[in-house]
Amino acid sequence: QSVLTQPPSVSGAPGQRITISCTGSSSNIGAGYDVHWYQQLPGTAPKLLIYANNNRPSGVPDRLSGSKSGTSASLAITGLQAEDDADYYCQSYDNSLSGSVVFGGGTKLTVL
Amino acid sequence: EVQLVESGGGLVRPGGSLRLSCAASGFTFSSYWMSWVRQAPGKGLEWVAKIKRDGSEIYYVDSVKGRFTISRDNAKKSLYLQMNSLRAEDTAVYYCARVKGSDALDNWFDPWGQGTLVTVSS
Repeated sequence: QSVLTQPPSVSGAPGQRITISCTGSSSNIGAGYDVHWYQQLPGTAPKLLIYANNNRPSGVPDRLSGSKSGTSASLAITGLQAEDDADYYCQSYDNSLSGSVVFGGGTKLTVL
Repeated sequence: EVQLVESGGGLVRPGGSLRLSCAASGFTFSSYWMSWVRQAPGKGLEWVAKIKRDGSEIYYVDSVKGRFTISRDNAKKSLYLQMNSLRAEDTAVYYCARVKGSDALDNWFDPWGQGTLVTVSS
């Protein structure tokens, strides 16, 4: 059971918009800690997509965006493309666990 | 180009030990916290440990405390993970990652190495 809760799967057709939610609690997201998002293609290492809630590293397209409110955060992808078919993970900090970085359980995005 | 390359994974029996290494290049290694993150087969990501720039602060996930030791050699631009008393549930791909962020709490990982597989089995 992950500290941050994500839907196991989401899907969408090419060109559509999807969102992936990440729900936490008062000891992590709700305490004001930032949320970060990663993409993992099959057989590869995770790649940073969004940092500090809504910032994109260079090279990440502006079709991807992040937001945070209360105890939850979301990753939105517009104009879905086949290359977006991957696993997505949110990550934050939890102050109830010493030094602890926490991840969501991951969401498999399927582009239909 | 910023690069992290892990090594040292393999098959080990329960109760055994293994030492992972991560060679860094393309950035000032001594200026960054570093971390290990693992992923069991078919499962999600789990943070394992992180170490401050000079090694003066270290944190572990509860499940590895007392068994794993993270360390670094800034002169060699290398990060290590000594894993003792290994269990079947430690089987995973272990990733080395550079920690980014302005403080010890609100951190993220970028980039990640390609990972090294550790299999604990008799």
